[in-house]
Amino acid sequence: SQTIHQWPATLVQPVGSPLSLECTVEGTSNPNLYWYRQAAGRGLQLLFYSVGIGQISSEVPQNLSASRPQDRQFILSSKKLLLSDSGFYLCAWSVLTVSGNTIYFGEGSWLTVV
Amino acid sequence: ILNVEQSPQSLHVQEGDSTNFTCSFPSSNFYALHWYRWETAKSPEALFVMTLNGDEKKKGRISATLNTKEGYSYLYIKGSQPEDSATYLCASFSGGYNKLIFGAGTRLAVHP
Repeated sequence: SQTIHQWPATLVQPVGSPLSLECTVEGTSNPNLYWYRQAAGRGLQLLFYSVGIGQISSEVPQNLSASRPQDRQFILSSKKLLLSDSGFYLCAWSVLTVSGNTIYFGEGSWLTVV
Repeated sequence: ILNVEQSPQSLHVQEGDSTNFTCSFPSSNFYALHWYRWETAKSPEALFVMTLNGDEKKKGRISATLNTKEGYSYLYIKGSQPEDSATYLCASFSGGYNKLIFGAGTRLAVHP
């Protein structure tokens, strides 16, 4: 069965420090991978998505970057965190099937920038 | 419509009331419409994936309809219960099947 792991679950980082959130998927190959963020009082905002190794599409200009070094690994990074980067980050994956394109989410990571 | 839009933004109902929310999405290049139930700081729980115009799906007291020609979907909850309190998100694939865009959600509070 397919599973998705996302870590760390919670993170408190000072302003200006780097960030690395990691997501790995098991039990499938060549998935689409996504990073979403929920900022305070808002819905889920798509940050990045990837359709293959090394292929990253950025949805919003921001202080973050993403990388996909392996087929089932998706990393969200920042060189210098801002206060506005605080929020709840969700990794997700999907594969196209005959019944549609179901999205599966990780457990999420709470980032607090202080 | 360029984005996925949901209304109302929030809703307060009494236990036992039936309620419904709206999701509007781009009707051109439509691929699929997803509904999720989401509690803050948790993974969204998938409710429905809808692809066909006129589709109607049901899961217990919750049901959804889809109109791809006009670009809207309704989610209905019959006999709301306090445990139904959550944010209900809809999402549509934009520009094909690679980019899933979420609406801002409808926050439902069911009061005993």
